[in-house]
Amino acid sequence: NAGVTQTPKFRVLKTGQSMTLLCAQDMNHEYMYWYRQDPGMGLRLIHYSVGEGTTAKGEVPDGYNVSRLKKQNFLLGLESAAPSQTSVYFCASARTGFGAGRYSNQPQHFGDGTRLSIL
Amino acid sequence: GENVEQHPSTLSVQEGDSAVIKCTYSDSASNYFPWYKQELGKRPQLIIDIRSNVGEKKDQRIAVTLNKTAKHFSLHITETQPEDSAVYFCAAREQGGKLIFGQGTELSVKP
Repeated sequence: NAGVTQTPKFRVLKTGQSMTLLCAQDMNHEYMYWYRQDPGMGLRLIHYSVGEGTTAKGEVPDGYNVSRLKKQNFLLGLESAAPSQTSVYFCASARTGFGAGRYSNQPQHFGDGTRLSIL
Repeated sequence: GENVEQHPSTLSVQEGDSAVIKCTYSDSASNYFPWYKQELGKRPQLIIDIRSNVGEKKDQRIAVTLNKTAKHFSLHITETQPEDSAVYFCAAREQGGKLIFGQGTELSVKP
């Protein structure tokens, strides 16, 4: 199993350009997440999905859109890139918990990250 | 929504000493608390986790304690080694599935 795969690994964009980051997982996980990581800020949740066809906002959703058309894929889009979106982006996935707290208590598996620079 | 505070932001210890990192959370309904280790340029890796029905969990040199009443949890690393040097993140998961991270602690273990 490949686990969680992110493409591309690196990208340089100009301000105003658009792009899509792809996250793919082969573990049949229900939950998928997009985070951004900036120095001193830890991992901040952008958007997440608890199942195919569903998405929800995280802590810092502005300027990003997501789609989960297939269970194994979670796409993160930047419609008009800004220098403030320069960051390392991590995707993660997790399976459904059982028992009390259906959406809880299962560990996340992370991809290797995408380093995005916007000039 | 959930808010996670992590302290200290940097921690330096001598090899063989213990290291303790503390986190507090705001949402009393959160019920899953993982800890991740991230080496430079790498992905975060889960090192230990604890669920809200447990007060303590240990795995070799690593232990996590949870105090639900006070809404705080801590990571304890004993007999630290240079390879423990990394950034450590705590996190708390809300019942709706969101996992919120602390700001991270940069641990440096000096030989």
